[in-house]
Amino acid sequence: AQSVSQHNHHVILSEAASLELGCNYSYGGTVNLFWYVQYPGQHLQLLLKYFSGDPLVKGIKGFEAEFIKSKFSFNLRKPSVQWSDTAEYFCAVNNNAGNMLTFGGGTRLMVKP
Amino acid sequence: DGGITQSPKYLFRKEGQNVTLSCEQNLNHDAMYWYRQDPGQGLRLIYYSQIVNDFQKGDIAEGYSVSREKKESFPLTVTSAQKNPTAFYLCASSIAGTTNIQYFGAGTRLSVL
Repeated sequence: AQSVSQHNHHVILSEAASLELGCNYSYGGTVNLFWYVQYPGQHLQLLLKYFSGDPLVKGIKGFEAEFIKSKFSFNLRKPSVQWSDTAEYFCAVNNNAGNMLTFGGGTRLMVKP
Repeated sequence: DGGITQSPKYLFRKEGQNVTLSCEQNLNHDAMYWYRQDPGQGLRLIYYSQIVNDFQKGDIAEGYSVSREKKESFPLTVTSAQKNPTAFYLCASSIAGTTNIQYFGAGTRLSVL
């Protein structure tokens, strides 16, 4: 069974700091990769996705993620965070054999103004 | 306004009681999913359905049941056999296929009295 690990459970940053959230997965075959975000009191929504092609993908609100196949990683980055980025972030993997997503445990990001 | 509607927003269950969480979507999606969200554990798949009148167990189906009589609706029943039902429950839907993006409802928070 595939698994997804997010090593940072809680991250606290000041505004304008750079962000990198780690995500590693265990499945060895072809994968589709996602980052979802859950802002306080809001729906879980898609931040960005990788299916194929350029391993550096850009999403909404200035976020990007890089797929490194050799490291089984899909880390999320943002050069300069804002207070409004305070949320919980989830990495998810689909092993391309069905509709099911496997989620990581989530990372709670708090950005101090 | 297209989307996924979950009700109620908050639900309380007494010992030995079955409760049903509602999920309705008007996105014309074939696939629907139920997840359970616990702090630090991310989202875990309870049940999913890829087509009307068919559904499959996810990773943590014990103590839960579902039905899929209509494309738009995928209710989840938390039975008395689920000994630790307190959690946040999320419903999602997607088009069929492997490069799916799942869209989420606002969730139902279930607590035990």
